Amino acid sequence: EIVLTQSPATLSLSPGESATLSCRASQSVSTNLAWHQQKPGQAPRLLIYDASKRATGIPARFSASGSGTDFTLTISSLEAEDFAVYYCQQRSNWPPEFTFGQGTKLEIK
Amino acid sequence: EVQLVQSGAEVKTPGESLKISCKASGYGFIGYWIAWVRQLPGKGLEWMGIIYPNDSDARYSPSFQGQVTFSVDKSITTAYMQWSRLRASDTAMYYCARTGSGNILDYWGQGTLVAVSS
Repeated sequence: EIVLTQSPATLSLSPGESATLSCRASQSVSTNLAWHQQKPGQAPRLLIYDASKRATGIPARFSASGSGTDFTLTISSLEAEDFAVYYCQQRSNWPPEFTFGQGTKLEIK
Repeated sequence: EVQLVQSGAEVKTPGESLKISCKASGYGFIGYWIAWVRQLPGKGLEWMGIIYPNDSDARYSPSFQGQVTFSVDKSITTAYMQWSRLRASDTAMYYCARTGSGNILDYWGQGTLVAVSS
């Protein structure tokens, strides 16, 4: 079973700053990695898929990179609406299976 | 527009059965896997399993195998998850999500809150 470890658990930043979130896989997942954002009281929303591709409607301030075991989500110039919990998630192609990281909470400093 | 609309919140007592639903619209329902995800109160996301509506092929995470059952009704483009005997530890928010091209969880339902208490 592939384990995803996210760091830090909590990140405290101010609007306008940049955020860097990390996700490490226990074994290579190639680029089969996604990032989801979850705001309080809401369902998760897909931000990034295939490690670096923005989902439809996601602002350009969200970018991501990585392959293999190490991945990064970067949010440039934080806006108030960006403060949320972010989950990385890996997928296997067949059979279709998924694993989530434990999440990083991005909070307002 | 792709939409997944889940059934409303449920309050149950331990030992009861329950079936929650996920109504899909805006795309070809039978051609995309539907995933189910649990979120315990204040905790992260856990993948429970997945079902393919075209043939009802269901795969369960080992953690949830035998605990829940997935099904679909193609005629009304709806996926279901059911419990035969609920436990207090089943109290959680449950999400369905479409697995889009490339097995990407691209659209999520709004969630169904299940509360189990005596």
